[in-house]
Amino acid sequence: DVKVTQSSRYLVKRTGEKVFLECVQDMDHENMFWYRQDPGLGLRLIYFSYDVKMKEKGDIPEGYSVSREKKERFSLILESASTNQTSMYLCASSNSYGYTFGSGTRLTVV
Amino acid sequence: KQEVTQIPAALSVPEGENLVLNCSFTDSAIYNLQWFRQDPGKGLTSLLLIQSSQREQTSGRLNASLDKSSGRSTLYIAASQPGDSATYLCAVASNDMRFGAGTRLTVKP
Repeated sequence: DVKVTQSSRYLVKRTGEKVFLECVQDMDHENMFWYRQDPGLGLRLIYFSYDVKMKEKGDIPEGYSVSREKKERFSLILESASTNQTSMYLCASSNSYGYTFGSGTRLTVV
Repeated sequence: KQEVTQIPAALSVPEGENLVLNCSFTDSAIYNLQWFRQDPGKGLTSLLLIQSSQREQTSGRLNASLDKSSGRSTLYIAASQPGDSATYLCAVASNDMRFGAGTRLTVKP
């Protein structure tokens, strides 16, 4: 069964910490995405990547960066976590047959 | 910029009813449209994908239709069950992927 795996289901971090969210896919997809989901705001695109070492800003990239050193892995980095980054983070990969999502990481910044 | 709207925002039905969820989008130049299900606190599970050249897709009790010219898609759920209770999202792929806000479905036993 094809998969997108997010390394953590729940994370609690302190304000100011550097946070890494990891995502791995086993489908050989070129495209990978990071979204955050908040009540009333829906899914918002943070960053995406169409190839290794390539990255593009989505709608809300401020406060985030990404890394894609290998095709199967796409990491989201919160350079200095803040309480307004408390959210559900969803990773996805895609090809012409659609998107596949991971199970999400619930991040709480205290 | 593509905008995706889902109506209704919430729906409550008794078990056994057939129901329709609606999705509309503003730009008809799409690659595909995908319907997802999301359970509380979980990720998105893909239900059906309709390519731009297709009119509908079926999987079990689910049927999704696409009318690009009018910018609409519907998800039909036959003989609803309590286990169908979840939020259903449609997503439209054009230059990027845009999601609707979802329809929260409750099926009462």
